[in-house]
Amino acid sequence: DGGITQSPKYLFRKEGQNVTLSCEQNLNHDAMYWYRQDPGQGLRLIYYSQIVNDFQKGDIAEGYSVSREKKESFPLTVTSAQKNPTAFYLCASSIIRFDSNQPQHFGDGTRLSIL
Amino acid sequence: QKEVEQNSGPLSVPEGAIASLNCTYSDRGSQSFFWYRQYSGKSPELIMFIYSNGDKEDGRFTAQLNKASQYVSLLIRDSQPSDSATYLCAVNTQVTFGNEKLTFGTGTRLTIIP
Repeated sequence: DGGITQSPKYLFRKEGQNVTLSCEQNLNHDAMYWYRQDPGQGLRLIYYSQIVNDFQKGDIAEGYSVSREKKESFPLTVTSAQKNPTAFYLCASSIIRFDSNQPQHFGDGTRLSIL
Repeated sequence: QKEVEQNSGPLSVPEGAIASLNCTYSDRGSQSFFWYRQYSGKSPELIMFIYSNGDKEDGRFTAQLNKASQYVSLLIRDSQPSDSATYLCAVNTQVTFGNEKLTFGTGTRLTIIP
């Protein structure tokens, strides 16, 4: 089945540790996105990428890093510089068409907590 | 800061009635509008999208768009208990030509009362 796979489902981070969240899609979508959701809040954009080897900062990029070496994969690293990393992290992807903005489809998410 | 605003609710609607969810946005250049449903603890699921002024119907769901008033709504007819969820409104924001991103509202929590 085509879809977006995020792993792990739950992740725990120790102080001073970097952790990497995986996002893989087999939908042949051009664009991929990372969002953060805090309890009772909407989604906030961390990073997005519209093409391999290129990505842009979203609204809350500080303390995070990404790479886009393959079209199918867009891993997110939560660095030790992110002081409040506890949240629900969502990866999304979409087709790019220049005549209309296409819907984004989401993976099942990763819950990150501090130990 | 380009914003998308929704009433956080909770909005309680009797089973079988029409649920009306509203969203306003600040960026007059926005062209695409999306409604997502999010069950507690789960990821958002696309329900509807609309690009043109007027109504767009899909089963029990109708999206309504009024660009002049910067207003988009979602109507759910014959509400079912399974419709109980948080509904997120998302609006595209053009960063540069051909480079767009979505801005999400904080969501409206809907409860359908049996």
